[in-house]
Amino acid sequence: NAGVTQTPKFRVLKTGQSMTLLCAQDMNHEYMYWYRQDPGMGLRLIHYSVGEGTTAKGEVPDGYNVSRLKKQNFLLGLESAAPSQTSVYFCASSYRTGGLDGYTFGSGTRLTVV
Amino acid sequence: GQQLNQSPQSMFIQEGEDVSMNCTSSSIFNTWLWYKQDPGEGPVLLIALYKAGELTSNGRLTAQFGITRKDSFLNISASIPSDVGIYFCAALNYGGSQGNLIFGKGTKLSVKP
Repeated sequence: NAGVTQTPKFRVLKTGQSMTLLCAQDMNHEYMYWYRQDPGMGLRLIHYSVGEGTTAKGEVPDGYNVSRLKKQNFLLGLESAAPSQTSVYFCASSYRTGGLDGYTFGSGTRLTVV
Repeated sequence: GQQLNQSPQSMFIQEGEDVSMNCTSSSIFNTWLWYKQDPGEGPVLLIALYKAGELTSNGRLTAQFGITRKDSFLNISASIPSDVGIYFCAALNYGGSQGNLIFGKGTKLSVKP
């Protein structure tokens, strides 16, 4: 039981390049989330999904796209990376019901855009 | 938008001391959560609070959901070096979807041995 797994752990991109971050969970959670964490800013929600095939915008969605083709995977895409997207990205997942005790985070992806 | 004001931003204490941190907001929430983040890792849930006035403990940690539903505090008793990390409060209003979990900006705790 791995929980929430994020790949890659580190990445350096040039401005304008694209990439996809992968989040996988093996807990059969219905909900999945992508956050970014910047120094002194806490975690801010980018996009989230309440089920396979559904996605919704969070607080800071601009410049990102997401897809949830399978229940266990949630992909975060950057079509044209910008230096402002340099951040640590966290994926999380949770059950639909039963409270938030099962809200589980991955260990993060550190992205640098130069 | 909704914001959580977490204080203090950082603390530097002696091992064995008690620690107190809090989160306040102008908005009402149905759930308050406290997380700890170690360097290079994701946040890990410490305590979840679902009811106004609720006081919950987890070992040396105690958290309370304020009766106004606009605040919460976390206490750590008899701090030890492994308490070092960043502590985040988070809150949710079930009037929205479960995606609307809002985080404070964190309290960085450093402990002197």
